[in-house]
This record gives sequence, structure tokens and C-alpha cells, in this order.
Amino acid sequence: DAKTTQPTSMDCAEGRAANLPCNHSTISGNEYVYWYRQIHSQGPQYIIHGLKNNETNEMASLIITEDRKSSTLILPHATLRDTAVYYCIVRDPQGAQKLVFGQGTRLTINP
Amino acid sequence: GAVVSQHPSWVICKSGTSVKIECRSLDFQATTMFWYRQFPKQSLMLMATSNEGSKATYEQGVEKDKFLINHASLTLSTLTVTSAHPEDSSFYICSAIRRSETQYFGPGTRLLVL
Repeated sequence: DAKTTQPTSMDCAEGRAANLPCNHSTISGNEYVYWYRQIHSQGPQYIIHGLKNNETNEMASLIITEDRKSSTLILPHATLRDTAVYYCIVRDPQGAQKLVFGQGTRLTINP
Repeated sequence: GAVVSQHPSWVICKSGTSVKIECRSLDFQATTMFWYRQFPKQSLMLMATSNEGSKATYEQGVEKDKFLINHASLTLSTLTVTSAHPEDSSFYICSAIRRSETQYFGPGTRLLVL
């Protein structure tokens, strides 16, 4: 599976949109982009995933560039409970089932 | 989203004893489950892939005789840490795959070996 690069940490004000970038320049055609987050001392929580089109659900939006080499996770109105480590992972659903976690982005939402 | 549970949520044991951790998919059948380990301030590290009805596949460097995995049904996988030592103290997290696409995680089990 392709490797991803994320900033180590980010800060965002409560109520504002949090935009978390992810680079995956070696992504292959069959690989999806997955986002998970891990709140302190909990298991990772699935957020969203996509292949090439932008995706939106009740938690977030995922914007994937046309060349698919990068993506952005958007939390439209961040709250203090969104403080967590966010992981961007690329994976081919038809290939190896396992997820390989990088270091992620530690997002801190400030009041 | 799909629900995955783990039991116990935390456990303290004496060095040399064995500890069993259960992972259940509550509202879906999971042919494949995974076990991860996470040390403080580090990311998740995959330990093994557990397939229902077959032997688990361990990642390089993970001792299969120390971390016994059993996936006896489509909703239950167990991880047994045998002869636990203080260095095995960690946060153990399982996950399960639904429909070969999305992986859902349990809440984790914190193990402290004294």
C-alpha cells in the first residue's frame, strides 16, 4: 500500500473548519483513501473514505485532488471533542486487508 | 457505524500469568479481524491478522507462541498473551472488516503487567 505524509500537528479554533491535509503521491489506481481518528485512550474511529470523487458524511468531507496525489479532510465546524490524532491511510480493498498506520496529525481544537 | 467490542477494557496481572482478551463484532459478521498494539505516544502497530476458521497470520517480529490468536466464529476473536511480562504492558486494539471494505475498531484493552 502507498505511504502517506501528514503534518505532525495542527491547531484550530472551536467553531471553525479544520482542514487536515494528506499527501499520497504514490497512490495506485485501485487504492482508496481512508481517514480514521483516535481520541486519547480509545480505539480508532472510522471517519470517511473515498476513491476519486469528493465524499461527505455526517462527520466530515473528503476532498481528493484530480491527480489523487493528495487529499484534505474537512471538519466543517470543529468542536473540542474533535481533538484527536487523525490518520490518513491508503489501501486497496481488494488487496491486503490490513491497515498500516503512520504517525498521523495531532489536531488540537482550542476554545 | 459498525460496533466492535473488547473485553476486558483494562486488566492488571502478575508477571508470568496469561491474559485473554476478547474481540466481538456485535452487529455484523467479520471473516477477518486484526490485532494491534500501541505503546504510549506511538502509533498503532499491527500484530496479526485473524481469519475465521484458519490460523492467524503474524507480522514480522511478533511471536506467535506468545500471542495466541483464536478466531472460532464470525463474531469472535481472542488474543491470549501467554506468560506476560512487564514489557508486554500496552494498549491492545482489535478491529474487524465488514464487506471487505471498511475496518472498524474496538475500544481497546489496556494491559498492565506487574
